[in-house]
Amino acid sequence: GNSVTQMEGPVTLSEEAFLTINCTYTATGYPSLFWYVQYPGEGLQLLLKATKADDKGSNKGFEATYRKETTSFHLEKGSVQVSDSAVYFCALRLIQGAQKLVFGQGTRLTINP
Amino acid sequence: DTEVTQTPKHLVMGMTNKKSLKCEQHMGHRAMYWYKQKAKKPPELMFVYSYEKLSINESVPSRFSPECPNSSLLNLHLHALQPEDSALYLCASSQWTANQPQHFGDGTRLSIL
Repeated sequence: GNSVTQMEGPVTLSEEAFLTINCTYTATGYPSLFWYVQYPGEGLQLLLKATKADDKGSNKGFEATYRKETTSFHLEKGSVQVSDSAVYFCALRLIQGAQKLVFGQGTRLTINP
Repeated sequence: DTEVTQTPKHLVMGMTNKKSLKCEQHMGHRAMYWYKQKAKKPPELMFVYSYEKLSINESVPSRFSPECPNSSLLNLHLHALQPEDSALYLCASSQWTANQPQHFGDGTRLSIL
């Protein structure tokens, strides 16, 4: 089946630390990959996306590279801020059955000043 | 600012009440979605509309009744809900192709007394 596995949270870092949130996937086709962020009391916001192997998505200092050989899409940021505290979801969407997003379990990130 | 607007933001209702959740988008998207999100969990897909036609019902109980009056609007009619239905209900929209992301509203926080 199709699934997404994210690193267990919660993750707590100090401001300006380097961030990595691991995401690996299993898919029967060639998925598009997404990272969404959910701030407290809000809906999900698209953070970045990649639609084919070796694509790099980037936004607001966050980056993730679509690695087909390792079926991974790890999220990275070089220097986190307190305002980055949120829950991060990795997700895939298949070309077949294009309607569904398959989400990982989410990783709660807390950044301390 | 989110481009998908959901109303109301909060709703408290008794188990015998009838109420409706509303969702609106003006991005020209032809796919619209309802998700249910419980605390500390990823969103769970409930319904998908494609070109105003219901294309996916994820075995949702009949006390939830979706409606898509036109390409910009999506409703979720609620009747005889149970306490376990208390959750954040998210609406999303997208283009139909797999490499396009879904855009989420901020949700309706529903509490069943």
